[in-house]
Amino acid sequence: RKEVEQDPGPFNVPEGATVAFNCTYSNSASQSFFWYRQDCRKEPKLLMSVYSSGNEDGRFTAQLNRASQYISLLIRDSKLSDSATYLCVVLTGGGNKLTFGTGTQLKVEL
Amino acid sequence: EAGVTQSPTHLIKTRGQQATLRCSPISGHTSVYWYQQALGLGLQFLLWYDEGEERNRGNFPPRFSGRQFPNYSSELNVNALELEDSALYLCASSPVEGPRNTEAFFGQGTRLTVV
Repeated sequence: RKEVEQDPGPFNVPEGATVAFNCTYSNSASQSFFWYRQDCRKEPKLLMSVYSSGNEDGRFTAQLNRASQYISLLIRDSKLSDSATYLCVVLTGGGNKLTFGTGTQLKVEL
Repeated sequence: EAGVTQSPTHLIKTRGQQATLRCSPISGHTSVYWYQQALGLGLQFLLWYDEGEERNRGNFPPRFSGRQFPNYSSELNVNALELEDSALYLCASSPVEGPRNTEAFFGQGTRLTVV
């Protein structure tokens, strides 16, 4: 089983749609969780950290379920500029290793 | 403020050769991470350096090695190159020991092609 698993997509959605991505992780001792965004042929950039209480940043909402070991990202009112690959990232202690999922590709269309 | 810089941006080598990739972290960042992103695959953790020491290593063979210099810049060396080593190699830096709740900033990567 992979340490971090994501549906690779692609998710093709119309502009204005709401889209949700899920990610599961295998190490129950994982400490911190993030969503990164990677545009085509560019480096990944932090989108948001994920907290146990859930957190929101504008149109983006991230949630963490430790019991079920999954993380979610909800994008509301999607824009063309949201088209990218979204990477689920988990920090595992005892080495502070950031483990990346393979990413979920989102394509927002007119 | 300059971001994480990597050089070269592109590198073409033949099978069996050695490749050296370089990374300069953001000023003040002491931790440097190396990742491999092969086509169609996610980012695979290679190495983590902090304060000149190797702190953690991913599941890669010993021909992948590196070091961190006193100015916190880092080198990744890949010996005996194989075709499967063709990938985008990304370097990231963070300001504290380990990227706990802090952001890891990535460079634009070195695209290594082995022919």
